[in-house]
Amino acid sequence: AQSVTQLGSHVSVSEGALVLLRCNYSSSVPPYLFWYVQYPNQGLQLLLKYTSAATLVKGINGFEAEFKKSETSFHLTKPSAHMSDAAEYFCAVTTSGTYKYIFGTGTRLKVLA
Amino acid sequence: NAGVTQTPKFQVLKTGQSMTLQCAQDMNHEYMSWYRQDPGMGLRLIHYSVGAGITDQGEVPNGYNVSRSTTEDFPLRLLSAAPSQTSVYFCASSLTAAPYEQYFGPGTRLTVT
Repeated sequence: AQSVTQLGSHVSVSEGALVLLRCNYSSSVPPYLFWYVQYPNQGLQLLLKYTSAATLVKGINGFEAEFKKSETSFHLTKPSAHMSDAAEYFCAVTTSGTYKYIFGTGTRLKVLA
Repeated sequence: NAGVTQTPKFQVLKTGQSMTLQCAQDMNHEYMSWYRQDPGMGLRLIHYSVGAGITDQGEVPNGYNVSRSTTEDFPLRLLSAAPSQTSVYFCASSLTAAPYEQYFGPGTRLTVT
């Protein structure tokens, strides 16, 4: 069985500061990992995904994430926060050939002017 | 492509009433699913379908019913609404099994009084 843990339900950063959102996973087989973003009153949009190719994955809007098997982590980063990054972010895990995606509980990012 | 569409956007029901949340996708996706989103709990899978005529239960199926008669449509039925079903409901689809990502609809906000 897989699981995902997102550390910190709320994260605040200043505009221009580094964004770091944490995701740790548990999986007995090689995982596929995703980060989604949800803007207020909208559905989820894919930011990036890891599918066992490169361990450093680049996504939209300047976000990237690094798959670290030894740490079972897939943290999301962005070098410089922008006001428009304020949203809720979800990490999700699944495995090859399955249809079930397990989502974390989400991290709400606040960007301070 | 309209992507994944959901109707209605908002709904208020009285306890005991029934209703159907509609979901449609125009991407010829094999997999469709329903989630509910509650504060602090992330997204929880209600039911999913891997093709027309094939459905299965997710993590929280009680009180909900689904069917999939066509590739495009995947309605979610609330049989007898309860206040515990007050939530935001998202429909999602993906081309096929992992590692394909899911595409989400805009959501339906349901309140049961």
